[in-house]
Amino acid sequence: GAGVSQTPSNKVTEKGKYVELRCDPISGHTALYWYRQSLGQGPEFLIYFQGTGAADDSGLPNDRFFAVRPEGSVSTLKIQRTERGDSAVYLCASSLDVAPYNEQFFGPGTRLTVL
Amino acid sequence: GQQVMQIPQYQHVQEGEDFTTYCNSSTTLSNIQWYKQRPGGHPVFLIQLVKSGEVKKQKRLTFQFGEAKKNSSLHITATQTTDVGTYFCAGPSGNTPLVFGKGTRLSVIA
Repeated sequence: GAGVSQTPSNKVTEKGKYVELRCDPISGHTALYWYRQSLGQGPEFLIYFQGTGAADDSGLPNDRFFAVRPEGSVSTLKIQRTERGDSAVYLCASSLDVAPYNEQFFGPGTRLTVL
Repeated sequence: GQQVMQIPQYQHVQEGEDFTTYCNSSTTLSNIQWYKQRPGGHPVFLIQLVKSGEVKKQKRLTFQFGEAKKNSSLHITATQTTDVGTYFCAGPSGNTPLVFGKGTRLSVIA
């Protein structure tokens, strides 16, 4: 079946602009996770959803970052007033149920570049 | 909160040599997962360890979970060029299901 998909694959924006990154999880997966990965680093946890609700958003760096999952499937990560430091690969993952006892399936990521 | 530290950060080996990466946690883990990320790719799940002292094997890969459930290791026997990539360990921390280490980047010289 289809894996986790993310759109766009690449996004170039200017400092101060607003961006939205989309994640389509594997069908039937109730848990969805957002990570940010900078070059040479491990995935940095941002937020995860169990169903429609954000179960843990402790990784969001500040209030410019927001994520939604209104129908318990597709999720959108929203970044306001982008800064150059936001440049990274944003990874989405899903799991059948909430980890830690379930493997996470990652999407290909969205590479965000803030000029 | 809990952090997972991985060593070494980089490892260069000749094809056919063995490779080991180590993962250490500041707190006891309920479980630990290992992922592999190929260059330009995304993390792919390898295995999960849950029991104290657990050892699991996948062909040339051997995974161990420490008796105190604070450390883990991944050993690859007779590396091949297909083993190239970054290996991450990850464990839960508080309400966060997985916190990833910084990974060990493996290069294999043919």
